[in-house]
Order: sequence, then structure tokens, then C-alpha cells
Amino acid sequence: QLVLTQSPSTSASLGASVKLTCTLSSGHSSYAIAWHQQQPEKGPRYLMKLNSDGSHTKGDGIPDRFSGSSSGAERYLTISSLQSEDEADYYCQTWGTGIPVFGGGTKLTVL
Amino acid sequence: QVQLVESGGGVVQPGRSPRLSCAASGFTFSSYGMYWVRQAPGKGLEWVAVISHDGSNKYYADSAKGRFTISRDNSKNTLYLQMNSLRAEDTAVYYCATHDSTLLIQAWGQGTLVTVSS
Repeated sequence: QLVLTQSPSTSASLGASVKLTCTLSSGHSSYAIAWHQQQPEKGPRYLMKLNSDGSHTKGDGIPDRFSGSSSGAERYLTISSLQSEDEADYYCQTWGTGIPVFGGGTKLTVL
Repeated sequence: QVQLVESGGGVVQPGRSPRLSCAASGFTFSSYGMYWVRQAPGKGLEWVAVISHDGSNKYYADSAKGRFTISRDNSKNTLYLQMNSLRAEDTAVYYCATHDSTLLIQAWGQGTLVTVSS
């Protein structure tokens, strides 16, 4: 069964960098995922599609501060030069055998 | 620019059968599959249903099977979610979204709130 695992929360300082992780369950390390951002009281926004080789395609208007990388079953979202508006929930998403799968989301607090 | 605008939400009594709509613009609607995703208050994202670009394939979450029906009218660039026998636990913001060729979501609407309450 395909499962995406995310840490529930993390924090980082204004201007710093943070790396969020989405882990694919065993046997699914070749899967691509999508990263989505949800700022408080707003709908989700597509950030990027991230492939198993680390290549990624960002959505329109997504700043260069957002980047993706991969290692084995881990999919990473790195946000550099953190700004206050980056405080949000971040979800990863993929497609399993006939069904989509969402991670539980990571709440990022910018200190 | 992709635009997805949901409508049809509101306060609904348990057991009622509202229909949500999602008006699409800025892209060739008939070429893309679509999702309905919901988010209960304070909770994460939960997929509800997915439909292929031509409506020939549909997938439902267990929570939606037998009660919800996803459909689309490509001539009107509109996606629908017919919801029947609503329960309190269906209270959520409902988002429509479009997906790419690998079935990953690539754009979201702003959502419509459905509150099931007597």
C-alpha cells in the first residue's frame, strides 16, 4: 500500500533555509510526487512536480527560492531565504494503484 | 492562466443532495482529468473523486462511493460533484483541481464550503 509520510511540523528562522521531507513507502521509490502549499485560510497552491531523479517542474509564478530534490524514497522541498509568507502547510501528493494519495502535511512556522 | 471556480456550497441539512460545480477557464478543459478534494475543518487534504478528461474513467474514495457522483460537461467547461445523503462528517471545503498526464494535481480552485447541519 502506497503511503506518503511527512513530519507534522517544523520551524525555521526568517531568512534561513528549510528542507521538508516526504517519504514514499517501501517499494515505491520510483514515484514522482507533487508539492502543494496552503497558506493560512487559503486554498492549496501547486508548487512543483518532483521526479525520482530530482528533476522538477515548478508551477507558474513559483519563486526560485523553492526547489526540489530526491534521494531514494525521499522527496524534498527546500525553501531558501525564508519569508513570513512561507509560513504554511505543505502537502505532498502522488498517484498509487488507481487512487491518489496525500501526505498528512507539514506545518512550517517561520520564526 | 488556469482558473477554477467552485460554487454550490452552503449550509445543507443532513440527507440532502446538493451539487457542486467547478467552472474552468484558461486551458483546454476537455484535455485534462479533474479531481474533487475536500478538507474538513482543521484537517488535511482528502481526495474525493477523480474523472478522466473524457469522463470515461472515474475513481472514488471509500467515503464517497455510492453517495457521490463526479461528472463533467466538456461543452460547458464545467466539472460537477453530485452529493447525496449528506452527513455531518461531509462538512468540508471542497476544491476542484486539474491533473497532468501522470495524474498529479497541477492547479487548484479556491474552494467552496459545505456545512452539513440541521
